[in-house]
Amino acid sequence: AQSVTQPDIHITVSEGASLELRCNYSYGATPYLFWYVQSPGQGLQLLLKYFSGDTLVQGIKGFEAEFKRSQSSFNLRKPSVHWSDAAEYFCAVGAGRGGGGNKLTFGTGTQLKVEL
Amino acid sequence: EAQVTQNPRYLITVTGKKLTVTCSQNMNHEYMSWYRQDPGLGLRQIYYSMNVEVTDKGDVPEGYKVSRKEKRNFPLILESPSPNQTSLYFCASSFSNRDGYTFGSGTRLTVV
Repeated sequence: AQSVTQPDIHITVSEGASLELRCNYSYGATPYLFWYVQSPGQGLQLLLKYFSGDTLVQGIKGFEAEFKRSQSSFNLRKPSVHWSDAAEYFCAVGAGRGGGGNKLTFGTGTQLKVEL
Repeated sequence: EAQVTQNPRYLITVTGKKLTVTCSQNMNHEYMSWYRQDPGLGLRQIYYSMNVEVTDKGDVPEGYKVSRKEKRNFPLILESPSPNQTSLYFCASSFSNRDGYTFGSGTRLTVV
């Protein structure tokens, strides 16, 4: 069974500082990986995804993530955080090619606070 | 506008009273899914569907039913709701399993 661990429940950064949110996954084959963001009272918005090719993927709002197979990680980064980035961030893993269905498993989330 | 529409947005009900939360998507997506979100637990998948009449259990299916009679609709049915089903529910859809889901705005359910 697939699983995702987001080890940081809360993270606080200053506006303009760099950000890295950690995500570790467990899956027996090549996974499909996703990062989502949820603003207060809102649904989830897809930031970026990885399923093959270049291990550094670019997403919306200036975010990027790097897939490291040897570390089973898919960390989310942003060079300079804006106050509007304050939200909850979720990493998710899905069955890769041939896995069938769309059983997407989410981590428990990281709450990002941005200090002005 | 491409979207996933859930109704109602808020619902308060009593234990044991059957209810249905509707979900509809206008993107011709093959896959649809229901999640519940609880503090500290993230999102947990209840059921998912790969196509019309094809559904499968997620991680927390107990106490829920779904049906997929049409491609665009995927209602969630609670036949006898209990207080532990108080949660925020999200419906989602996707074209394929490598596209990621598009989520609805959520339904906040309270069972008293």
